[in-house]
Amino acid sequence: ETGVTQSPTHLIKTRGQQVTLRCSSQSGHNTVSWYQQALGQGPQFIFQYYREEENGRGNFPPRFSGLQFPNYSSELNVNALELDDSALYLCASSHEGSDNEQFFGPGTRLTVL
Amino acid sequence: AQSVTQLGSHVSVSEGALVLLRCNYSSSVPPYLFWYVQYPNQGLQLLLKYTSAATLVKGINGFEAEFKKSETSFHLTKPSAHMSDAAEYFCAVSVKRGTYKYIFGTGTRLKVLA
Repeated sequence: ETGVTQSPTHLIKTRGQQVTLRCSSQSGHNTVSWYQQALGQGPQFIFQYYREEENGRGNFPPRFSGLQFPNYSSELNVNALELDDSALYLCASSHEGSDNEQFFGPGTRLTVL
Repeated sequence: AQSVTQLGSHVSVSEGALVLLRCNYSSSVPPYLFWYVQYPNQGLQLLLKYTSAATLVKGINGFEAEFKKSETSFHLTKPSAHMSDAAEYFCAVSVKRGTYKYIFGTGTRLKVLA
């Protein structure tokens, strides 16, 4: 069974650019959540996708957007990057009946200069 | 609204000593509670979870946690610390209200002294 994978591992962008981060869910999981973890902080919920529809959003501006594909993989897009967007972005997958348990990927480290 | 408070951003213990990491939660409905561990430059690994079954939950690597509703606590313990336990630990609460989102605490960095 393949776990949650994310790409790329590291990314450096400049302010104002756009970035796309990718996540492949664990086999059999139909729900994907994205979290932002700033340095020294706990992860913050960005949004969740369930069967290709957004199913909840945290306190993040609209320039953070996402997609979920029929194979349940997912993308996180961030437009107009700001310095404060520098963080570890974590993807987590889950499935119905899992007692809310989410399985996390290794994360993508984004640095905005 | 749900929230999680982790008391102590840094905890140091000697190898072989008891590990106690504190977590208090706030939730208006019965919560699901989780402890995750994060090693440097890695993602989160589940240690254990409480899902309204037994109040004493046993997890991996010898960790356990006890759900105490009266104290709104879910403290993580391990009888004897090992050097490999040095990491960041996060407590999280999850309540289904359309989504299964987690609310995380700010984390506790555990240092194990030889």
